[in-house]
Amino acid sequence: EAQVTQNPRYLITVTGKKLTVTCSQNMNHEYMSWYRQDPGLGLRQIYYSMNVEVTDKGDVPEGYKVSRKEKRNFPLILESPSPNQTSLYFCASSWGLNTEAFFGQGTRLTVV
Amino acid sequence: AQSVTQLDSQVPVFEEAPVELRCNYSSSVSVYLFWYVQYPNQGLQLLLKYLSGSTLVKGINGFEAEFNKSQTSFHLRKPSVHISDTAEYFCAVSDNGANNLFFGTGTRLTVIP
Repeated sequence: EAQVTQNPRYLITVTGKKLTVTCSQNMNHEYMSWYRQDPGLGLRQIYYSMNVEVTDKGDVPEGYKVSRKEKRNFPLILESPSPNQTSLYFCASSWGLNTEAFFGQGTRLTVV
Repeated sequence: AQSVTQLDSQVPVFEEAPVELRCNYSSSVSVYLFWYVQYPNQGLQLLLKYLSGSTLVKGINGFEAEFNKSQTSFHLRKPSVHISDTAEYFCAVSDNGANNLFFGTGTRLTVIP
């Protein structure tokens, strides 16, 4: 089954404690991206990757890092989480921007 | 950069009534347009997309949308809604050369029995 898998689904952490949210896709897609969803703001892109070892900033990259060492994986790293990063995060993959994006189930992160 | 406006944050509608969810985008350059649906506690899934060709696009679950270049709009419609259509709907736009998919703020559709 074609899917994008994010882990964990729910995470509560404390300010400053490094965390990683994993994302994996099994469709051999080249394009992957991370979004955060906040009430009243819709989805905003954090980072994206056009292919292995090619990543770039989206609209709200501050406080986040990503890596793309393998085509299927695109982890999101918060080196020092802060409460304003409390949000619902989605990973997505696609062949390109004019094709359907497949989304993971989301990761609800709370930073206290 | 593109901006996407979904003017209606919430739309309540009775079951079997028609519905229109509005979406306007900022730029008139060549664009790709999408509608995604998000059911509770789930990720987004594609309803339909416009890349080129016919301006009337049909999607899954009986939804359709019409691309209007002069009005920079891509409104979503369904002639008769069901309870199961209760969800949040997002309009999204990308354009040639962009590396981003710009989303609107979403419209929460609530179907009332």
